[in-house]
Amino acid sequence: GAVVSQHPSRVICKSGTSVKIECRSLDFQATTMFWYRQFPKQSLMLMATSNEGSKATYEQGVEKDKFLINHASLTLSTLTVTSAHPEDSSFYICSASSVSSETQYFGPGTRLLVL
Amino acid sequence: AQSVSQHNHHVILSEAASLELGCNYSYGGTVNLFWYVQYPGQHLQLLLKYFSGDPLVKGIKGFEAEFIKSKFSFNLRKPSVQWSDTAEYFCAARPGNFNKFYFGSGTKLNVKP
Repeated sequence: GAVVSQHPSRVICKSGTSVKIECRSLDFQATTMFWYRQFPKQSLMLMATSNEGSKATYEQGVEKDKFLINHASLTLSTLTVTSAHPEDSSFYICSASSVSSETQYFGPGTRLLVL
Repeated sequence: AQSVSQHNHHVILSEAASLELGCNYSYGGTVNLFWYVQYPGQHLQLLLKYFSGDPLVKGIKGFEAEFIKSKFSFNLRKPSVQWSDTAEYFCAARPGNFNKFYFGSGTKLNVKP
């Protein structure tokens, strides 16, 4: 199956700093990438959808200036958490799909801890 | 609000027991339904999906799910679980023509050897 990677897998940062998370599709061209956030014992919450070469579409309640998403190529999307605060600590998961795929392929997730 | 509900948060079974995990969704129109599994330390993987046609769909590893439109349900079943089925299972729905997935809260399955 299609492979999606995320980097880093775990990051700890100080409050007020920015953190960038990368999502890569390794063996297919991802025309659409999705970013989710997962709280403990809760479902994956869709944050935004990004199509290659265009601006991301954010879900209601997600601050686009806080969570910057870039999808500059068909194999890479980045999520930057700007001026991170402890409440941003969470598990961030990306997924990717191509024009022909009926499903999404998920990355392994990134655990962010903001101190 | 559109949502996907999984009522069983944690299920513990012995090997060879039968499994049924509930999933209900709240969309009124056309919907595609999915079950994903996440084994410890691994990515989410697709178990099976329903788009149209036969409401009983078969997936990998002996899993199946039945779409019952009148009940807005898409329950996951397996006749005889194995220890290796220990994982977290997520139901997801994709409404209509939107390329967005909405996930349930997940069910952790522990199978005792």
